[in-house]
Amino acid sequence: EIVMTQSPATLSVSPGERATLSCRASQSISSNLAWYQQKSGQAPRLLIYGASTRATGIPARFSGSGSGTEFTLTISSLQSEDFAVYYCQQYNNWPPCTFGQGTKLEIK
Amino acid sequence: EVQLLESGGGLVQPGGSLRLSCAASGFTFSSYAMTWVRQAPGKGLEWVSAISGSGGNTYYADSVKGRFAISRDNSKNTLYLQMNSLRAEDTAVYYCAKDGRVTLDLYYLDYWGQGTLVTVSS
Repeated sequence: EIVMTQSPATLSVSPGERATLSCRASQSISSNLAWYQQKSGQAPRLLIYGASTRATGIPARFSGSGSGTEFTLTISSLQSEDFAVYYCQQYNNWPPCTFGQGTKLEIK
Repeated sequence: EVQLLESGGGLVQPGGSLRLSCAASGFTFSSYAMTWVRQAPGKGLEWVSAISGSGGNTYYADSVKGRFAISRDNSKNTLYLQMNSLRAEDTAVYYCAKDGRVTLDLYYLDYWGQGTLVTVSS
């Protein structure tokens, strides 16, 4: 089973600043990685797939990069609605399609 | 518009059974694999089970293998999760989610339902 490790667990950033979230796979997953956003009390929402492709309707301030074992989600200028928990998920080796433990993005 | 609506959650005693349903609309249901993901209170997301579009291939996490069974009825556009021998650690919100691509493989999940809460407690 591939283990996905996200860092940091919590990230404090001020509105308007850039946020960088990391995700590491225990072995190579090529570019088969997705990022999801989950706000409190809501279902997760797909942000990025294929490591760098934005899902439909996702603002351009969200960008993904990386391949192999190291991946990054960058939010270029944080808006108030971006403060949430973010999860990465690999779909290269399955089952299972494992998730990271999440990064909570909070207002500084 | 894609919609996924889960139902069937509730309170069940340890060792009991429950069947979750997920009613789908807004897309060609039989063309897409479907997945169940759960989230224990205050915890992260855990992939539980998936099924191919035809229903011919099913996949499970080790934590539920042998206790849970995923199925689908493409004539009713509905996904199911039969949960048996339930344990306290199965307590979670259960989400159904649609695969993002029409293939035999599993991919990212592009639409999610709002979830249904399962509580296993005596």
